[in-house]
Amino acid sequence: QVHLVQSGAEVKTPGASVKVSCKASAYTFTGHYMHWVRQAPGQGLEWMGWISPNSGATKYAQKFQGRVTMTRDTSITTAYMELTRLTSDDTALYYCAREGTGDLQNYFDDWGQGTLVTVSS
Amino acid sequence: QSALTQPASVSGSPGQSITISCTGTSSDLGNYNRVSWYQQYPGKAPKLVIYEANKRPSGVSTRFSGSKSGNTASLTISGLQAEDEADYYCFSYAAISTYVFGTGTKVTVL
Repeated sequence: QVHLVQSGAEVKTPGASVKVSCKASAYTFTGHYMHWVRQAPGQGLEWMGWISPNSGATKYAQKFQGRVTMTRDTSITTAYMELTRLTSDDTALYYCAREGTGDLQNYFDDWGQGTLVTVSS
Repeated sequence: QSALTQPASVSGSPGQSITISCTGTSSDLGNYNRVSWYQQYPGKAPKLVIYEANKRPSGVSTRFSGSKSGNTASLTISGLQAEDEADYYCFSYAAISTYVFGTGTKVTVL
């Protein structure tokens, strides 16, 4: 059974950076793109970008260009999302989501449990 | 990239059918069939219920159906049940390998 386990909650001050991890297991890590999605408290889902664990190629939503970096470590089947210059607007639950293959390419067939990032002075 | 537009809330009585709309533009939803719908319960991660506009993943109830016409996609839930009360989000490919979510719809079963 596919399993995506994310790192624990973080509290950051404005201007700081945060790096969230997503440990994948029970499937071929390099065979599926990994996306990051966030959800502010009481708000909707927001797509942030994706990384190809195979090549390391990335694509970010324009809104986060210059502030987000997605990386991966294939040796430990873990994807990372780092967001810099945090403001209170970045307070949200951050999810990693696995993109399917075949018919499910472009769709998310599994999700991490979410990592709460709180930005507060 | 602006979020796709969904109604904030839709409600129905048990057994009824409801439809949630999702409106985009010719740059995203209108130009691609890569539209999906996700169901999210409070405090839980989203779950895929419709992909490629009208296909159901294995294990998803046949009461869920999807369609797309022009710049608008729709999710219909037939035979509404209490367990369908949740938030629903559309999601579309938006060119140059980017994607966009809808604003989300809260479904209430009366």
